[in-house]
Amino acid sequence: DAGITQSPRHKVTETGTPVTLRCHQTENHRYMYWYRQDPGHGLRLIHYSYGVKDTDKGEVSDGYSVSRSKTEDFLLTLESATSSQTSVYFCATGTNSYNEQFFGPGTRLTVL
Amino acid sequence: AQSVTQLGSHVSVSEGALVLLRCNYSSSVPPYLFWYVQYPNQGLQLLLKYTSAATLVKGINGFEAEFKKSETSFHLTKPSAHMSDAAEYFCAVSEAGGEKLTFGTGTRLTIIP
Repeated sequence: DAGITQSPRHKVTETGTPVTLRCHQTENHRYMYWYRQDPGHGLRLIHYSYGVKDTDKGEVSDGYSVSRSKTEDFLLTLESATSSQTSVYFCATGTNSYNEQFFGPGTRLTVL
Repeated sequence: AQSVTQLGSHVSVSEGALVLLRCNYSSSVPPYLFWYVQYPNQGLQLLLKYTSAATLVKGINGFEAEFKKSETSFHLTKPSAHMSDAAEYFCAVSEAGGEKLTFGTGTRLTIIP
């Protein structure tokens, strides 16, 4: 367990509203990742960070933005939530060691 | 580009029977390979990993996997299934020097009493 927390754990929101999910780690890992998990799709990478203020897009980045102002925190923002963004969101951290990743408990987001 | 294919989105086995979950990968460079397990309403937990050392890798909870380069496979096995093994299992691949994992779509394992 890499000491990863996510907040909130559950959220229900309405279409068009902004939403921010937070990931916090206590392990000082360099890399942080945001994934979404949907039935039939496994985990898909949204964005990731390879250092403070250094981020890059994943395969499903449209409609999402991220920020990392401190090593321990990685924020995922949905600027204007849509129903297609209803999903379970997982944060993960990693080191340079073989790209092994450690996962948080997830956030279940429902967009009505 | 790297990719992972998990054959069988659902697998059912009887308690005490062999568990075999299949994973095939593609990678342009030598890969690192992982199996993760996800229990209901939880995050993913690492079961085992292949990092170019021994081709037969042993993990937690009695699971093991064998890296077969000629078959581009990394199948997960357990000799005797237990009810507590019921979960979703994900295979993932990473390229040496890369920064990302690519996950398969997962296999849900059901154990029949």
